Amino acid sequence: SQTIHQWPATLVQPVGSPLSLECTVEGTSNPNLYWYRQAAGRGLQLLFYSVGIGQISSEVPQNLSASRPQDRQFILSSKKLLLSDSGFYLCAWTGGINEKLFFGSGTQLSVL
Amino acid sequence: RKEVEQDPGPFNVPEGATVAFNCTYSNSASQSFFWYRQDCRKEPKLLMSVYSSGNEDGRFTAQLNRASQYISLLIRDSKLSDSATYLCVVNPPGSGYALNFGKGTSLLVTP
Repeated sequence: SQTIHQWPATLVQPVGSPLSLECTVEGTSNPNLYWYRQAAGRGLQLLFYSVGIGQISSEVPQNLSASRPQDRQFILSSKKLLLSDSGFYLCAWTGGINEKLFFGSGTQLSVL
Repeated sequence: RKEVEQDPGPFNVPEGATVAFNCTYSNSASQSFFWYRQDCRKEPKLLMSVYSSGNEDGRFTAQLNRASQYISLLIRDSKLSDSATYLCVVNPPGSGYALNFGKGTSLLVTP
């Protein structure tokens, strides 16, 4: 069966520090991968998605970036965090268009 | 008009009650629809897909009304454990791989 791993679960970072969140999927090949952010009391915002190695689509311009160095690995990064980057970050995968989305357990990021 | 709209609630219902949520979507050509459940500070989890003919899973029933562009979720015999936020998800055509999430409806089931 397919599983998705995301870490760390909680992260507290000072403003201006770098960020690296990692997500890996097991039990499937060539998944579509996503990064979402959920700010406190708000809905899910799609940040990036990837349909293959090295292919990244950005939905929202901001100081975050994503990379997919391997088929089942998706990384969210920032060179300098802002206060507004605080939120709940979720990695997810699907097998294709119109298919169900499965989420990792999320990372609660607090930028202070 | 927002692409996916939900009443944020909260819906406060006693145990055993029946409760229904609606979700409206703006793109009439949308093709896939889902309900997710999200507990506080947890990831959303798929509750059920929504099919054109409607579908049922135990106490949960999901329906799609294409003419009026809404989907619904009915929960019968509510349990305390049903307390959560319920997210409506729509995949409109032309969105590529981007699913549109509603902001969720909060349900609190009380003893």
